[in-house]
Amino acid sequence: AQRVTQPEKLLSVFKGAPVELKCNYSYSGSPELFWYVQYSRQRLQLLLRHISRESIKGFTADLNKGETSFHLKKPFAQEEDSAMYYCALKDNQGGKLIFGQGTELSVKP
Amino acid sequence: ETGVTQSPTHLIKTRGQQVTLRCSSQSGHNTVSWYQQALGQGPQFIFQYYREEENGRGNFPPRFSGLQFPNYSSELNVNALELDDSALYLCASSLPGPLTYEQYFGPGTRLTVT
Repeated sequence: AQRVTQPEKLLSVFKGAPVELKCNYSYSGSPELFWYVQYSRQRLQLLLRHISRESIKGFTADLNKGETSFHLKKPFAQEEDSAMYYCALKDNQGGKLIFGQGTELSVKP
Repeated sequence: ETGVTQSPTHLIKTRGQQVTLRCSSQSGHNTVSWYQQALGQGPQFIFQYYREEENGRGNFPPRFSGLQFPNYSSELNVNALELDDSALYLCASSLPGPLTYEQYFGPGTRLTVT
């Protein structure tokens, strides 16, 4: 079954500390993975996709097919990074996105 | 560029009733997806519409149905409401095909079933 797992509901770090939000997936075939973010009082929005291999707001995510993981990382967290982060997998049939449960990132001053 | 809008923002219904939620897609987007987000959970895919046809459906019973109109706006209808239907309902629009991954979400409709 296709599934996305985010094991941490809440991750709390201090400003300037490194951040890693974990995401594991279960998928048969070649996966397409994404990170979506929801800041307070804002809409859910795309943060980054693994295919583009880009860094957005200092965040990067590497697809590790051996470990079936797509962890989101940032070397130095900022207070404005505080938000809900959702890992998502694109289904190979149509445009369905399968979301994880989400991790709330709290960056303290 | 107009973003995705949803109406109403909040709704309270009684078990057994029917509800219709509405969504206007972002300008230029012809694909609309609906998601249910229960408290503390990630969004769960209900179905997607492309050019007024259902284009994929998640694990939801038939009492969840939808429509897409020629202007690409969409409706989600839920019949025979149950308490477990209480959730945030999100609409997302996108371009079709390989660009579907970038979905633009609306603010959601909070449905409470009592």
